[in-house]
Amino acid sequence: DTAVSQTPKYLVTQMGNDKSIKCEQNLGHDTMYWYKQDSKKFLKIMFSYNNKELIINETVPNRFSPKSPDKAHLNLHINSLELGDSAVYFCASSQGGRLSSYNSPLHFGNGTRLTVT
Amino acid sequence: GQSLEQPSEVTAVEGAIVQINCTYQTSGFYGLSWYQQHDGGAPTFLSYNALDGLEETGRFSSFLSRSDSYGYLLLQELQMKDSASYFCAPVGGYQKVTFGTGTKLQVIP
Repeated sequence: DTAVSQTPKYLVTQMGNDKSIKCEQNLGHDTMYWYKQDSKKFLKIMFSYNNKELIINETVPNRFSPKSPDKAHLNLHINSLELGDSAVYFCASSQGGRLSSYNSPLHFGNGTRLTVT
Repeated sequence: GQSLEQPSEVTAVEGAIVQINCTYQTSGFYGLSWYQQHDGGAPTFLSYNALDGLEETGRFSSFLSRSDSYGYLLLQELQMKDSASYFCAPVGGYQKVTFGTGTKLQVIP
């Protein structure tokens, strides 16, 4: 029943480790996103994929690598985790995409709280 | 460049009206959206303005002036459950939705 689901909900790991967060949407949307929200609530876009194609790639360290095996899934792999990576990571989806000029609201997952120690 | 400004915190009394202002500077602007986020929760969509003027959805209204790069969210008949963070979020090309740090609204009895 869940529209956008991401796993795990919590992730606690040590510096230097590699971890992945998975996201799936069952809304039939074409576009999926990763956002990072820090402790000050700043919500920053990281990546966006439209039909498995990367269309937005913000200034993100290349330790972060998204992967979209199909348009319903967008995973985020993080290498060599650092303390500053601690945040809540939100996956989102929307109907709009590369050629869209109309509004399509973002539907967010419940977030993954990543803590790097 | 891109910039987004809204007050960091606002306090209002239950039953009152509160306005949260937003000024933005962004390229490829299509419209301004607003999202609500309760503590520990995910952002949820509230409204979208593509054209200048006021859009009303129940107790919430949103306004946009494209020439002034300005918008606001108006919340009427405030309820305790409205205590949350509110984000104005310009929508750009490729459906790029840009958020900032939001406005934390506290509704007091």
